[in-house]
Amino acid sequence: AQKVTQAQTEISVVEKEDVTLDCVYETRDTTYYLFWYKQPPSGELVFLIRRNSFDEQNEISGRYSWNFQKSTSSFNFTITASQVVDSAVYFCALSEGETGANNLFFGTGTRLTVIP
Amino acid sequence: GAVVSQHPSRVICKSGTSVKIECRSLDFQATTMFWYRQFPKQSLMLMATSNEGSKATYEQGVEKDKFLINHASLTLSTLTVTSAHPEDSSFYICSARDGRRETYEQYFGPGTRLTVT
Repeated sequence: AQKVTQAQTEISVVEKEDVTLDCVYETRDTTYYLFWYKQPPSGELVFLIRRNSFDEQNEISGRYSWNFQKSTSSFNFTITASQVVDSAVYFCALSEGETGANNLFFGTGTRLTVIP
Repeated sequence: GAVVSQHPSRVICKSGTSVKIECRSLDFQATTMFWYRQFPKQSLMLMATSNEGSKATYEQGVEKDKFLINHASLTLSTLTVTSAHPEDSSFYICSARDGRRETYEQYFGPGTRLTVT
């Protein structure tokens, strides 16, 4: 059965600090996709990244970076030099199958608060 | 980029009434749409998957007679909460899959916040 675990329920950091959000997943599929979404107070999900199971290269996008470790079934997300606007709930999600567009299994989310 | 809209964004209704939520793909054809529900401070849970022209597939524990889903066209899916009760108050989010793209990208709507009084 599939499962996504975000052990950190809430994290608070001071502005400009780096912060890493953890995500551990379980799946029996050999082909799957992993996602991170940001949900600000407005509620709308903001897509951050999609990564397939065959691509273990880490990715950097501005202040955001992702570390995919298949050996430990983890897909962690790091925000460098955090800003107040980064305050939101962040969800890690898993989609099984070859397309990455099947239904998503979401983790319970990590609420990040960046203190000015 | 692909856009998915939801209407209404917020709705307040009285217990016992029915509410219809629309999910539209504005610039692509959505062969498949998903409906998720999110209770306050909780995660998103899949309620059902709807394919254009066929009956929706509901997740275990979701009452299909209470949450009616219609996907009558490639750009519109509707979720009707029938005989709503306060416990149905939640944030409902749809997502649509773009069937034209090889990778079948999935796009989320902005959500509908339902409050049942």
